[in-house]
Amino acid sequence: ETGVTQSPTHLIKTRGQQVTLRCSSQSGHNTVSWYQQALGQGPQFIFQYYREEENGRGNFPPRFSGLQFPNYSSELNVNALELDDSALYLCASSRYNTDTQYFGPGTRLTVL
Amino acid sequence: SQQGEEDPQALSIQEGENATMNCSYKTSINNLQWYRQNSGRGLVHLILIRSNEREKHSGRLRVTLDTSKKSSSLLITASRAADTASYFCATDFKAAGNKLTFGGGTRVLVKP
Repeated sequence: ETGVTQSPTHLIKTRGQQVTLRCSSQSGHNTVSWYQQALGQGPQFIFQYYREEENGRGNFPPRFSGLQFPNYSSELNVNALELDDSALYLCASSRYNTDTQYFGPGTRLTVL
Repeated sequence: SQQGEEDPQALSIQEGENATMNCSYKTSINNLQWYRQNSGRGLVHLILIRSNEREKHSGRLRVTLDTSKKSSSLLITASRAADTASYFCATDFKAAGNKLTFGGGTRVLVKP
């Protein structure tokens, strides 16, 4: 167990809806990164949050947005869901500018 | 693309045999990390090797890094059925700053 928790575990939405995924970081960690993992592929970096600000973003459209709270927990929001958004969404926490990221168990999102 | 490429994509071995998988990447890195994933769940960090290191060991795991060839290998010795999982390499590129870029993974099946 890494101490990183995510909720919910599974989620089913329909195309066009909006979704919010949540992540609680490991104690002592102030940085949260989000990744999208499509079935059969490796994770892809979405964005990273540090001190409640976005600190880098991958190749994802603006309908993917996030927040980080003062307790370092984080949310990933996806608007106008598309079928291709169906994936496992992973969050990872770390201390800022340290090497190792610790991953949560993920949220499995299905868009119908 | 800066994504690491892994081979083989899949590997099937008998318990007790060694498993070797390789990862190649394209640009300069700070470090390279290997993760394990069981059945689409969260990623477990296995080992990190820095760009100035050539080899690291952790239990039954041995990782090598050749920065001149931009490649790394992960060796699992004396494999067990519990080693059945997907294994991913992730690179922390110098320009990225602790935002990991994952390969497509190697799916390892260890038969008892």
